Parts: sequence; C-alpha cells; structure tokens
Amino acid sequence: AQKVTQAQTEISVVEKEDVTLDCVYETRDTTYYLFWYKQPPSGELVFLIRRNSFDEQNEISGRYSWNFQKSTSSFNFTITASQVVDSAVYFCALIFGNEKLTFGTGTRLTIIP
Amino acid sequence: EPEVTQTPSHQVTQMGQEVILRCVPISNHLYFYWYRQILGQKVEFLVSFYNNEISEKSEIFDDQFSVERPDGSNFTLKIRSTKLEDSAMYFCASSEDTEAFFGQGTRLTVV
Repeated sequence: AQKVTQAQTEISVVEKEDVTLDCVYETRDTTYYLFWYKQPPSGELVFLIRRNSFDEQNEISGRYSWNFQKSTSSFNFTITASQVVDSAVYFCALIFGNEKLTFGTGTRLTIIP
Repeated sequence: EPEVTQTPSHQVTQMGQEVILRCVPISNHLYFYWYRQILGQKVEFLVSFYNNEISEKSEIFDDQFSVERPDGSNFTLKIRSTKLEDSAMYFCASSEDTEAFFGQGTRLTVV
C-alpha cells in the first residue's frame, strides 16, 4: 500500500524567510513518481514538480527547490525568500504507473507580511 | 497551453437530486480520473478510467456514482442521489503518462 505523510499541518513564517515542507512516503514499488501540488485559496490544484524514483538529483526552480532522499523516503520542498503569494496548502503525492495519485494531508503555509 | 476544464465551477443541489459534473480532458490524454476533496481535508481518489472503462475505483465510489465518456471529448461524473456528505470539491484529471493535469474543480454543495 502507498502512503504519504505530511506531518506539518500548518506553518507560518514571516515574509522573506525560507521554509521547508516535509513529505515522507511509503511504497513497496521500486518505480514510482512523487509530486508536489499547490492549492491556493481559490481552490484549484497547481502542479509544481514530478520526480521519478530513479532520479535523486535535487531540483531548483527559481525560489523553489526539492530534496529527494530515497534512503529516508523523503521528498521535501523548500521555498526560499518566501512571499505572500506563496500562502497556500501544499500537497505531496505519490503514484505508481498510471494508477491513482495518493495525496498527503497537506500543509497549510501562511506567509506573514 | 492545454488544460483540463470543468463545468460548472459551483453547483448547489438538493439532497436526493442527481448531479452531473462535466470535464473536458486534454485532447491527447488517455487516462482520466475523478478526485474529491471535502473542505479542509486531503484530496481523495474516486475513480480512474482508461480505454472506455473503469480501471480502478475507491471505496467511496459506490453505486451512487458513475462515470461516462459520452463522446470523444467529455468525461462526466454522475451522482445519482446526492447526500449531504457528497458536498466537496470534485477534481477531474487527465494524463498521458504519470503527470496528471487537474481541472480547476467543481464545488458541489448539497443542501
């Protein structure tokens, strides 16, 4: 069975601070994909990143970076120099093949101006 | 940029009524999904659809739910007799491989 755990329910940081959102996953599969989605107050799900299980290179996209550690089954997401527009709920998710995405419970991030 | 579109964006219905939520997936995608998110909770899988049939469904997807691809472009979710607990945001998604693209969601309120 697949499981995604986001232990941080809510995080608040002051604007311009860095913040890391944790994601730990469980799967028996050797080939899988990990995702991060952003859900702003408007409610839609915005795709941020996909990472396959064979690619442990960290990725940076502007102020966003992701740290994939297979040894600890973690796929953490860091926002550098946070901005108010980063305020949202962030979901980590896991998929095997073309099967369903399994989502974590989400982390509500609030950036305080 | 191609996107998944869902209509309506909001739907209010009386308990016991039937609702149909509509989705237009991205045109070259082959896999289609419905997910549900009760307010303040996580996104839950309902059903996946491939090659004109259901490939997987969750425990939530009981006999009150059905999906259909009535033509080459639409993908619908029908709830036969809505209950109060069906109130949620319903997301349609489609994919070509593993990267699922989500629609903006339909907020269903059952009163």
